[in-house]
Amino acid sequence: AQTVTQSQPEMSVQEAETVTLSCTYDTSESDYYLFWYKQPPSRQMILVIRQEAYKQQNATENRFSVNFQKAAKSFSLKISDSQLGDAAMYFCAYGRLRGGSEKLVFGKGTKLTVNP
Amino acid sequence: ETGVTQTPRHLVMGMTNKKSLKCEQHLGHNAMYWYKQSAKKPLELMFVYSLEERVENNSVPSRFSPECPNSSHLFLHLHTLQPEDSALYLCASSQVAGNTEAFFGQGTRLTVV
Repeated sequence: AQTVTQSQPEMSVQEAETVTLSCTYDTSESDYYLFWYKQPPSRQMILVIRQEAYKQQNATENRFSVNFQKAAKSFSLKISDSQLGDAAMYFCAYGRLRGGSEKLVFGKGTKLTVNP
Repeated sequence: ETGVTQTPRHLVMGMTNKKSLKCEQHLGHNAMYWYKQSAKKPLELMFVYSLEERVENNSVPSRFSPECPNSSHLFLHLHTLQPEDSALYLCASSQVAGNTEAFFGQGTRLTVV
């Protein structure tokens, strides 16, 4: 079974600085997707960034970028120029289409605090 | 309305009550999911419906009963719950074989007393 591990329960960063959140996963599949979701206090999970496993190029979305190391099964999230609104729980997730549906497996999450 | 909407936002129920959680999506997706989010635990996938058929049931106790009457609506019927069932229940939807991510609702915070 696939598993996702986030080894940092909590992280903090100063406003305008850069922070990296770690994620490792375990799978025997070769074709899959990886995601970072953000869950602010409003509780709604919001997709931050996604990476297809077959793509070697790391995904980037504005201030958010990933370091995808397929052989090491590592998928870290870098947040540049951190803003107060980035404070939230961040969940790493693994997904693939199986049986006609997308099944997501989540890590336990990392709570990010942004200090002014 | 757009996105995924869950009602109610908060629910307190006794162990002998029967209640239902509702989820509605306005994204034209054809797969819907129930997740359970407990403190200090990973999100747990409970049920998956694809094209209105249940395709996954992850060893969820029978006191949780899902229903998917159409591709836009998903229910979770609750009866004789236990205090350890208190959690945030999240609904999500996605497009089957569409290579899209799952979109989530804001969840229902359930407290069983």
